[in-house]
Amino acid sequence: QVQLVQSGAEVKKPGASVKVSCKASGYTFTNYGIQWVRQAPGQGLEWMGWINAGDGDRKYSQKFQGRVTFSRDTSATTAYMDLSRLRPEDTAVYYCARPDDSGWFYWGQGTLVTVSS
Amino acid sequence: DIVMTQSPDSLAVSLGERATINCKSSQSVLYSSNNKNYLGWFQQKPGHPPKLLIYWASTRESGVPDRFSGSGSGTDFTLTISNLQAEDVAVYYCHQYYSTPPTFGQGTKLDIK
Repeated sequence: QVQLVQSGAEVKKPGASVKVSCKASGYTFTNYGIQWVRQAPGQGLEWMGWINAGDGDRKYSQKFQGRVTFSRDTSATTAYMDLSRLRPEDTAVYYCARPDDSGWFYWGQGTLVTVSS
Repeated sequence: DIVMTQSPDSLAVSLGERATINCKSSQSVLYSSNNKNYLGWFQQKPGHPPKLLIYWASTRESGVPDRFSGSGSGTDFTLTISNLQAEDVAVYYCHQYYSTPPTFGQGTKLDIK
């Protein structure tokens, strides 16, 4: 069965960077993209961008352009989200999701990133 | 960007009754070539990722109880939960995947009255 398993919670200081991983299994990794979404405490869902796990093509939300980088390791079937210059307002749960044409069926469990001095 | 607006922001319904959540998109999410609405509904409980309930606006995901149903087309959509159960307490989000960026409604918090 399709599974997305994310890395553990992180605590970072303002100005630092964080890298969240999303390990995929149960399907051919390179046949699908990985979407990244975040959710601040008590808030809604915010799209950050997307990476095509096959050819590595990326699309970033304008809001995060210049601060976020998506990558993937096809041999490890893992996608990564790197967010730099962290601010307290980046405190959120970060999710990876694997969509297909029908919808967004599969989600990682989420990774809490706390930014605090 | 397509803006998704849900109503109400919160509602409380008695056990066994019906809950109705509305979602309006700022432009149509109906893809004319396949006549499908690229609209999904998620349920999210505290500490958990969103769970897809409905896709293509009205197709129930496998394993989702049939008391959950979706309807609508174009720009106006509805999620109906019949015979409300205690385990249905959650926040519900509509979501369009018609165009990039994909966008979500602000969420509707459902409680038991």
